[in-house]
Amino acid sequence: EVQLVQSGAEVKKPGESLKISCKGSGYSFTSYWIGWVRQMPGKGLEWMGIIYPGDSDTRYSPSFQGQVTISADKSISTAYLQWSSLKASDTAMYYCARHGDGDVFDYWGQGTLVTVSS
Amino acid sequence: QSVLTQPPSVSGAPGQRVTISCTGSSSNIGAGYDVHWYQQLPGTAPKLLIYGNSNRPSGVPDRFSGSKSGTSASLAITGLQAEDEADYYCQSYDSSLRGVFGGGTKLTVL
Repeated sequence: EVQLVQSGAEVKKPGESLKISCKGSGYSFTSYWIGWVRQMPGKGLEWMGIIYPGDSDTRYSPSFQGQVTISADKSISTAYLQWSSLKASDTAMYYCARHGDGDVFDYWGQGTLVTVSS
Repeated sequence: QSVLTQPPSVSGAPGQRVTISCTGSSSNIGAGYDVHWYQQLPGTAPKLLIYGNSNRPSGVPDRFSGSKSGTSASLAITGLQAEDEADYYCQSYDSSLRGVFGGGTKLTVL
């Protein structure tokens, strides 16, 4: 069974750094892209970027390029989403999802709620 | 403003048929990229509903169907049930090989 398990909710202050994780299991982690999707409170889904854990090839949406860093550690089947300096506007639910055949997000993690507040 | 345009809301009575449109452009849907649909029930993660324009993953009832034509796509739900009340999102790709989502449509079952 394909599963993506994300790290727990975070509460941070503006300017702090953060790295959240997404651990895949039940499939060959290095054979599928993994993506990250943002959902701000009461808003829709936003495609942030994807990474291929096999070679760490990464593609970012222009809206998120330079704002976050997507990485992966294939030795532990885990993808990451990282901020170096959080802003209040980063407050959102973040989902990871497997990017399956046909460029579709076929399996999703449960989400990680990130709250940034002074 | 989302790259793909969806109506903010649709509604229907139990048993009725509703459709949700997803309008793109020549740089995404019209360029030949597939359209996928996701269902997000309140307080939960999105779930894949339709992939590759019109294919249903295992376990998705055949009450849900998708189609694509030109620069637009549609999701149809027949035999509407109370449990279908959710947010629905379309997703495709653009010519820069980046994914794009629609703004989402809230379905209310009257």
